[in-house]
Amino acid sequence: GAVVSQHPSRVICKSGTSVKIECRSLDFQATTMFWYRQFPKQSLMLMATSNEGSKATYEQGVEKDKFLINHASLTLSTLTVTSAHPEDSSFYICSVLGPGGFSYEQYFGPGTRLTVT
Amino acid sequence: QKEVEQDPGPLSVPEGAIVSLNCTYSNSAFQYFMWYRQYSRKGPELLMYTYSSGNKEDGRFTAQVDKSSKYISLFIRDSQPSDSATYLCAMSESGGGADGLTFGKGTHLIIQP
Repeated sequence: GAVVSQHPSRVICKSGTSVKIECRSLDFQATTMFWYRQFPKQSLMLMATSNEGSKATYEQGVEKDKFLINHASLTLSTLTVTSAHPEDSSFYICSVLGPGGFSYEQYFGPGTRLTVT
Repeated sequence: QKEVEQDPGPLSVPEGAIVSLNCTYSNSAFQYFMWYRQYSRKGPELLMYTYSSGNKEDGRFTAQVDKSSKYISLFIRDSQPSDSATYLCAMSESGGGADGLTFGKGTHLIIQP
């Protein structure tokens, strides 16, 4: 399977500031990446689909102006949480779509735990 | 409505027992069914996927899908302490890459040595 990294693994920020989370595909070029959010004791919820070189597709209810996604290269996608608030505290996980392009062939990063104080 | 129900547990069983993990869903358009294992502070890793109804076996793991009942299961035979983790079911309507996954909440499994 693919190797996916995320940075940082944990971040604490103050309310009102912005935080950038990086997702990297280390061993193959990923045209499509996904961003998920997981609240405690809840499911992973798909936030957006990120395609290299084009605008991300956001799920219903996810504010695209608040969660900025940039998929600038085939190995890197970034999620920026703008003007973060305590309710944005969550576990953010990215995944990359495998070379076969099948939805079930997603490889997940280790996640980033965001705490907004 | 995309909704997947999964008992969060914890489910605690002795080593060597057969474990049964289950999910139910309401969206009849789901065709691909996945099971992921997630260790603490790690991302999920794919265990198995199944297309439509039927069974699939991989070593000690067996996945079952009953689309008529909208019910899927994962069985783990000869369970080991290393199997202790959170198991998430996930589903998608198509196999196409544009289709993100819909996850259950995950079941926290504990295998007692």
